[in-house]
Amino acid sequence: DVKVTQSSRYLVKRTGEKVFLECVQDMDHENMFWYRQDPGLGLRLIYFSYDVKMKEKGDIPEGYSVSREKKERFSLILESASTNQTSMYLCASSPGTGARETQYFGPGTRLLVL
Amino acid sequence: SQQGEEDPQALSIQEGENATMNCSYKTSINNLQWYRQNSGRGLVHLILIRSNEREKHSGRLRVTLDTSKKSSSLLITASRAADTASYFCATDASTGNTPLVFGKGTRLSVIA
Repeated sequence: DVKVTQSSRYLVKRTGEKVFLECVQDMDHENMFWYRQDPGLGLRLIYFSYDVKMKEKGDIPEGYSVSREKKERFSLILESASTNQTSMYLCASSPGTGARETQYFGPGTRLLVL
Repeated sequence: SQQGEEDPQALSIQEGENATMNCSYKTSINNLQWYRQNSGRGLVHLILIRSNEREKHSGRLRVTLDTSKKSSSLLITASRAADTASYFCATDASTGNTPLVFGKGTRLSVIA
């Protein structure tokens, strides 16, 4: 079974802190994704990556950056956390050379920024 | 951007009844997928239907796709309390290499 793990289930940070959310997948998938999920807004794509050291902006990249130094790991970075970044963050991965294939999700990280 | 829109936003039924959720989208697609999300958890893939398919079954799930109407439906038969979750459709564009776009989901409550 594909397994996607996220470093924390719950995280509480203060405004202005630098926050790292880590995601690791164990199935050698090429594609990895970061979403945030807010009530009434569904899933919104923040960043995605087709390969190591590659990244593409999603729909809402502002205030975020990403890093993919190894194929299995995709990190989401909040350079200076703000209260409007309080949300559920979901990481996903998918196989193949495109980004249309079935996605496998981690359990999510619920981030609270005070 | 292209987006699947689920309907209804919320649905409440009794255990044993069938649940039907609909998804409409705007542009041509290669495939449409349905995912399930239990409260506070990640999404789990349920079923994928390709643009040249009209119907697909998986256990108690039945998915239909009408590309002329740009719509899909997910039917869960003989629902159980454990089916309580949010259900999302996800579409891909038939051109380019853009990621899946997820709808906002239907929240299903199955009452025992």
